[in-house]
Amino acid sequence: QKEVEQNSGPLSVPEGAIASLNCTYSDRGSQSFFWYRQYSGKSPELIMFIYSNGDKEDGRFTAQLNKASQYVSLLIRDSQPSDSATYLCAVNTYNNNDMRFGAGTRLTVKP
Amino acid sequence: DVKVTQSSRYLVKRTGEKVFLECVQDMDHENMFWYRQDPGLGLRLIYFSYDVKMKEKGDIPEGYSVSREKKERFSLILESASTNQTSMYLCASSSRLAGIHNEQFFGPGTRLTVL
Repeated sequence: QKEVEQNSGPLSVPEGAIASLNCTYSDRGSQSFFWYRQYSGKSPELIMFIYSNGDKEDGRFTAQLNKASQYVSLLIRDSQPSDSATYLCAVNTYNNNDMRFGAGTRLTVKP
Repeated sequence: DVKVTQSSRYLVKRTGEKVFLECVQDMDHENMFWYRQDPGLGLRLIYFSYDVKMKEKGDIPEGYSVSREKKERFSLILESASTNQTSMYLCASSSRLAGIHNEQFFGPGTRLTVL
């Protein structure tokens, strides 16, 4: 079993819709959870991190964490074509400075 | 503006050559990482370092070595390049002092082709 799993996609949504990206992880000791966006040919950049159960909102982005289910998600409201990218879920364990990444979900937002 | 830089964006080498990939960060971060990224496989950790002169193997260290002589610089070395090492190589750094908020900052990547 992979440590961090994501649906590879591609996920396609129309412009203005909500895009929902999901991630599960295997290490129950994981404490912090990150969503990175990676445009084609570019390096990953951080969108959000979350470490408490529940929702965390930042503009059009909402991260959701459920530690009991070992599940973290990213919602993108009012999706724009510029949101088309690969989204990487990453998980970190406290006092463990290396991070585990999922393979990424490729999102396409169609105008 | 935080910055992680890598010595080359594109590199073409021949099988058997020794290859050096350099990474420099200006954020005074303790932790530095080398990943490779291949389609469908995501980011795979090659080596990481928590401090100067310290190194730890990641998930796929075979065929690679690293060097960290200065805090800001982390080098990845391919002792004898092979075609299966053709990939995108990404360097990252993070602060150990940030606790659980230890976001990793990435360099622009080096696309290495081994012929």
